[in-house]
Amino acid sequence: GEDVEQSLFLSVREGDSSVINCTYTDSSSTYLYWYKQEPGAGLQLLTYIFSNMDMKQDQRLTVLLNKKDKHLSLRIADTQTGDSAIYFCAESNPDYGQNFVFGPGTRLSVLP
Amino acid sequence: DAGITQSPRHKVTETGTPVTLRCHQTENHRYMYWYRQDPGHGLRLIHYSYGVKDTDKGEVSDGYSVSRSKTEDFLLTLESATSSQTSVYFCASRGEDTEAFFGQGTRLTVV
Repeated sequence: GEDVEQSLFLSVREGDSSVINCTYTDSSSTYLYWYKQEPGAGLQLLTYIFSNMDMKQDQRLTVLLNKKDKHLSLRIADTQTGDSAIYFCAESNPDYGQNFVFGPGTRLSVLP
Repeated sequence: DAGITQSPRHKVTETGTPVTLRCHQTENHRYMYWYRQDPGHGLRLIHYSYGVKDTDKGEVSDGYSVSRSKTEDFLLTLESATSSQTSVYFCASRGEDTEAFFGQGTRLTVV
């Protein structure tokens, strides 16, 4: 089956850049997503990228996609304490009614 | 935020009892999903729906059933709850060309 992998933890200092990495296995994925989950809350979409794009920038967020290596990354510039959360990588799987296959999530801790 | 709500938000139930979780969306979205979230596993799909009365199984469907009698409501039923079904359950919905919008989650504890 499809699989999405992420490292589970990342710590950075406030003001530094954070890079969260993700690998996926389904080469037919059409969209790849980054969701953010704050404590006790549901998931909120941060950004997404079409599979035919290499990069997408949205304010402090930069998404890089290496389709050959099936590697996706999310860079957060000038990381703030409010960025502390769990970040989920997800791919869109058309075989499952446009279902999303999620990674395990990366817990980002921002240290003052 | 998209109008998607889950009820109840918290529930404690005994092993062997049936439990129904409700998801309600006001966006007229075609697709609806039930996920469970467990440490180290991310979100795993239980069941999904692609229209009224149209549902299918996801990755971890054993012990769960769903029903969708109206566009706006998607019910998840645990026929006979077990301790392994203690989890946080998330509902999501999406339209044809939109991202998925998630509910706030239901924390279910089976004792």
